[in-house]
Amino acid sequence: GENVEQHPSTLSVQEGDSAVIKCTYSDSASNYFPWYKQELGKGPQLIIDIRSNVGEKKDQRIAVTLNKTAKHFSLHITETQPEDSAVYFCAAIYNYGQNFVFGPGTRLSVLP
Amino acid sequence: KAGVTQTPRYLIKTRGQQVTLSCSPISGHRSVSWYQQTPGQGLQFLFEYFSETQRNKGNFPGRFSGRQFSNSRSEMNVSTLELGDSALYLCASSPTVTGGYEQYFGPGTRLTVT
Repeated sequence: GENVEQHPSTLSVQEGDSAVIKCTYSDSASNYFPWYKQELGKGPQLIIDIRSNVGEKKDQRIAVTLNKTAKHFSLHITETQPEDSAVYFCAAIYNYGQNFVFGPGTRLSVLP
Repeated sequence: KAGVTQTPRYLIKTRGQQVTLSCSPISGHRSVSWYQQTPGQGLQFLFEYFSETQRNKGNFPGRFSGRQFSNSRSEMNVSTLELGDSALYLCASSPTVTGGYEQYFGPGTRLTVT
């Protein structure tokens, strides 16, 4: 069935280091892959997304790469800062764009 | 532009009661989706409404229902509450542009069932 796996479940990095979170999906028909950041007590915030016709997208310190053949995509955060500490979720659109399936989340801690 | 708003933010109910949650999407957005978030199950899709019609539904029992009004505001209702319904309920709205899948979430309603 529809499934999105996400690794690691927790990640601790030193301030200034890079962080990478990886997701795999099962439906080859998926064509949209967003990443969300959720801080304590808040709803998920869309931080970057990528469509299937693009292999990589970058926005300042954040980048996402997509490998459609292997059915996986990754979030890269460079020069991490303490305010990057949060739970990050990946997602994939299934069912011809009618609903999202989310990964289980990665708790990122950036240590000062 | 104002973001997605949800009311109430916190709610405590007793088993067997029913509850109604409200969501106002971003101005101009006509699609509203609802999600349940729990520590054990993560973010799970409940249903999506577009132009007052339910377009898609997740794998939840019939106790969970929703509706959308002509101004795109949406409500979800949970009847005969169970302890396991305790969760953060999130609403997300999407723009109507062709191919636009971006979803923007509200802050959620924290429901506690005792």
